[in-house]
Formats: sequence, structure tokens, C-alpha cells
Amino acid sequence: DAGVIQSPRHEVTEMGQEVTLRCKPISGHDYLFWYRQTMMRGLELLIYFNNNVPIDDSGMPEDRFSAKMPNASFSTLKIQPSEPRDSAVYFCASGLPGGGRNEQFFGPGTRLTVL
Amino acid sequence: ELKVEQNPLFLSMQEGKNYTIYCNYSTTSDRLYWYRQDPGKSLESLFVLLSNGAVKQEGRLMASLDTKARLSTLHITAAVHDLSATYFCAVVSNSGYALNFGKGTSLLVTP
Repeated sequence: DAGVIQSPRHEVTEMGQEVTLRCKPISGHDYLFWYRQTMMRGLELLIYFNNNVPIDDSGMPEDRFSAKMPNASFSTLKIQPSEPRDSAVYFCASGLPGGGRNEQFFGPGTRLTVL
Repeated sequence: ELKVEQNPLFLSMQEGKNYTIYCNYSTTSDRLYWYRQDPGKSLESLFVLLSNGAVKQEGRLMASLDTKARLSTLHITAAVHDLSATYFCAVVSNSGYALNFGKGTSLLVTP
């Protein structure tokens, strides 16, 4: 398996623009997570899905952020409109609660810069 | 709210030395994870600790879990330069699946 795939790897945009980040989880994994990493706040959960259904979106900063998982092999995280404080690395992770391990595997991340 | 604290946050050590990174968490959990992150890279899973007293070893790294003390340790034996990275511990609350991360320990191993 190719692992978790994210695109784009780097995104530079101007304040006010819409940004869409994409994620393809590992085949067969039924959990998908979106995390954000910044120097100030570290790694924090934004939202996670189980079997394509959002389970916990309490980490989504505000209404400008939205996430969807239309099928088991694809998820998007959208920011509209983007702001400079959204600049961060966004990681997608997928997992399968096999044997209680609940191990999560991370994608390469998308480095977002909002000017 | 589940809080995870690591210490130290920064660690510079000489090659060949031993050291321990500590991870404390605030509420009951029986699942703890250690990840490694190289600069500009993703997170790589190192250890999954699932029960009190669990001990896992891989090369020069050994992780342990004490659920009663809410404490995990990552012990480094005879450090080498290749171990230079940031190490994160993460805990899952008993009612969920999302990871709650510590701030990470940035390790630099020098000759």
C-alpha cells in the first residue's frame, strides 16, 4: 500500500482565497483524522470520521473550516476564506482499530502558507 | 480535557550517552503512542503501548507505560546521531479514538 496520500504537498495562497486539501486514506482503514501542526499550538485534532461519518469536529476552529468524506477513499478539508493564521502543516491520518491498537498512520502533510 | 505533558522539551546529548524522556497525562487512558518526526517530515509510529506495565524495545529505544502513575517513558541507550529528531507521545481518551499529543521533545545528538 502507498500509505496515506495527501495533496497538494505545498500550498501558498492569499488571504481570502479558498483552499482545499485532499486526503486518500490507506485502503481498508475506517477511521480518518485531520490534524494541524503549528509552532504555537503543536499538533491538534481538527476532525475525525468513522466509516465516512464525522464523529468529532470539536477541533474545527470556526465556520471557515469544513471537512467532508464522500466515500471511503477520499476526504477534503476546505478553508474559506483563508487567513494568515491558518498557515500550518495539515496532516491526514488513517487507522483501523484492530486488536485494540487503534494505531494511526500519517500522511506526508500539506504545508499551507496564507499571505 | 485530556492533557499530555512531555519533558524535557529540548534535549542535547552526546553520542554514547543514555537519557529518558517523560510523558505524563491527566486522565485515565490505556493506550499510549510514541511517534518520531524528522524536520519537515511526517510522523512515524514508533511504539504502541496498550496496557499497564507494557514495555516495547526497538534498537536503542525502549518505551514503557505505567497507567497507574499516568506516565510513559522513552529511554535512549547509547545515543547515535541518527536518533536526532522530535519525539511525540500521544494518548487516546478511553471514550475516543483521536490522539492528544504532547508538545514534543526535540532531541539533538552531538559527537
